[in-house]
Amino acid sequence: EVELLESGGGLAQPGGSLRLSCAASGFTFSSNAMSWVRQAPGKGLEWVSVVYGGTESTDYVDSVKGRFTISRDHAKSMVFLQMNSLRVEDTAVYYCAKGKYFFEYWGQGTLVTVSS
Amino acid sequence: EIVLTQSPGTLSLSPGERATLSCRASQSVSSSFLAWYQQIPGQAPRLLIYGASTRAAGIPDRFSGSGSGTDFTLTISRLEPDDFAVYYCQRYDGSLPWTFGQGTKVEIK
Repeated sequence: EVELLESGGGLAQPGGSLRLSCAASGFTFSSNAMSWVRQAPGKGLEWVSVVYGGTESTDYVDSVKGRFTISRDHAKSMVFLQMNSLRVEDTAVYYCAKGKYFFEYWGQGTLVTVSS
Repeated sequence: EIVLTQSPGTLSLSPGERATLSCRASQSVSSSFLAWYQQIPGQAPRLLIYGASTRAAGIPDRFSGSGSGTDFTLTISRLEPDDFAVYYCQRYDGSLPWTFGQGTKVEIK
């Protein structure tokens, strides 16, 4: 059974940093792309970032380029999202999701609140 | 960037009724690279449909997707209590970023 479990959310000040983690199990982690999708309070879904299986290349939505970094640890089957220079508008539930095009499995999400 | 517009914003129906949800793209979505998700409040989204019409594993056959080009439809043939939720479409063709529609809420009438 595929399981994705996020952690690392919390309260950060504008300009601050947080590192989100996602522990994956139940599938061949190394060969699969992993993505982050976020949802601001009461709003819709926004794709944020992807790390591809195999090539390890990455992509980001323009609004987080240069501030967020996605990475993965194959030995631990984990994916990370390092978020720097946080802005109020980054406040959202961040979901870890399996896939690079559409997302068949999702974690339960972790809430990031950016506020002074 | 391709914009997806979902309609209606809210659909008020009774259990057992048929629900028809629309997703319209600002440009043609190539190869029907469109997915649908269901989100129950407080839960993560759940993949229902990909490739515009292929049901994901474990999705009941009362959910069906259709369409091509710029117009796509999600149909729920007979609403059950667990189907009252928010539904999102998402395109994954061409170049990033993948985009989602703003959602359609299906509520109990």
